[in-house]
Amino acid sequence: NAGVTQTPKFRVLKTGQSMTLLCAQDMNHEYMYWYRQDPGMGLRLIHYSVGEGTTAKGEVPDGYNVSRLKKQNFLLGLESAAPSQTSVYFCASSSAGGIYEQYFGPGTRLTVT
Amino acid sequence: QKEVEQDPGPLSVPEGAIVSLNCTYSNSAFQYFMWYRQYSRKGPELLMYTYSSGNKEDGRFTAQVDKSSKYISLFIRDSQPSDSATYLCAIGDGDMRFGAGTRLTVKP
Repeated sequence: NAGVTQTPKFRVLKTGQSMTLLCAQDMNHEYMYWYRQDPGMGLRLIHYSVGEGTTAKGEVPDGYNVSRLKKQNFLLGLESAAPSQTSVYFCASSSAGGIYEQYFGPGTRLTVT
Repeated sequence: QKEVEQDPGPLSVPEGAIVSLNCTYSNSAFQYFMWYRQYSRKGPELLMYTYSSGNKEDGRFTAQVDKSSKYISLFIRDSQPSDSATYLCAIGDGDMRFGAGTRLTVKP
């Protein structure tokens, strides 16, 4: 089992460009999450999904969109990147809600110049 | 005020030391308490999980919850260089809130 994988691992964008981060899990988990991690701020929840075809906003959703067309995939989109979105992005999945263990991917390091 | 507060450190200790990592939280309704360990340039991994108050031990690691003080701790006994990582607490009642993480270095 690969667990949770993220694509790409690194990316540099110019301000105003768009991109999509892909998360895939092979554990048949219902819940999936996108977090950003910044120094001193910890993990902050961007969006999450409780099942295929559903999405919901987290703590810091502005500037991001998500889609969960297939149970195993969760996509995070940046429509018009801003320097404030420079961060490390983590995807996670869990079998049920957040009180259950979350399995994290290796992260995507995004720099917006 | 953040719902979960964690001293970011960094914390540096010699090998063999006892390490104490702590978090405080503001909502007395929170019942689920977790500690994740994150190695450099990796995703976090669950280390310890406790529900409600009390202690839980797993090898060299002990998680402690004091709900009356809204305070949780993770103790590492006989710390090893391989314990060098960032430790994040996660606390909540369904939606988990993560602390900022404490960076620990154990020197040989």
